[in-house]
Amino acid sequence: DAGVIQSPRHEVTEMGQEVTLRCKPISGHDYLFWYRQTMMRGLELLIYFNNNVPIDDSGMPEDRFSAKMPNASFSTLKIQPSEPRDSAVYFCASGLTYNEQFFGPGTRLTVL
Amino acid sequence: ILNVEQSPQSLHVQEGDSTNFTCSFPSSNFYALHWYRWETAKSPEALFVMTLNGDEKKKGRISATLNTKEGYSYLYIKGSQPEDSATYLCASPSNSGYALNFGKGTSLLVTP
Repeated sequence: DAGVIQSPRHEVTEMGQEVTLRCKPISGHDYLFWYRQTMMRGLELLIYFNNNVPIDDSGMPEDRFSAKMPNASFSTLKIQPSEPRDSAVYFCASGLTYNEQFFGPGTRLTVL
Repeated sequence: ILNVEQSPQSLHVQEGDSTNFTCSFPSSNFYALHWYRWETAKSPEALFVMTLNGDEKKKGRISATLNTKEGYSYLYIKGSQPEDSATYLCASPSNSGYALNFGKGTSLLVTP
């Protein structure tokens, strides 16, 4: 198994543009998590899904952020419109249970 | 303690030194305590998942202990090597039992 796959690995965009981050979880994993890592706040959970259903989105910073999981093998995190303070590394993780989460390589987002 | 806290924030040791650092977590409604190892430019990698008070886990030169009553865990590295240089994260599931609340990590640098 290739592990959790995220794309793109790096994204540079201008303020106001829409950004879409993609994640392919490990096959068979029922849980999918989106995290954001910043120097100030560390690694923080944005949202997680169980069997493609969003369970807890209380970590999503504001309405500009949205996440979907249309099927068991794909999830997106969208920011529209993007702002410079959204610059961070965004990680996707998946797991069979909450006891072990496997992280993807992350997407480094820079909003100018 | 409301959040997961780690100390020290950073640590610099010489090759061959043994070292340890601390993770403090809310002791009420305890589910599990996770340790991750996070190398620069890579994704966090699970080290241990600990669930029982008094648990002690070991992987090579790295070991961890758990005290759920007082809400702390120690991570020990015996005979540190340069390849141990990384950020060590601990995390504890939120009340939902699924989403992980991460500490900000201890950044370890081992120099030859």
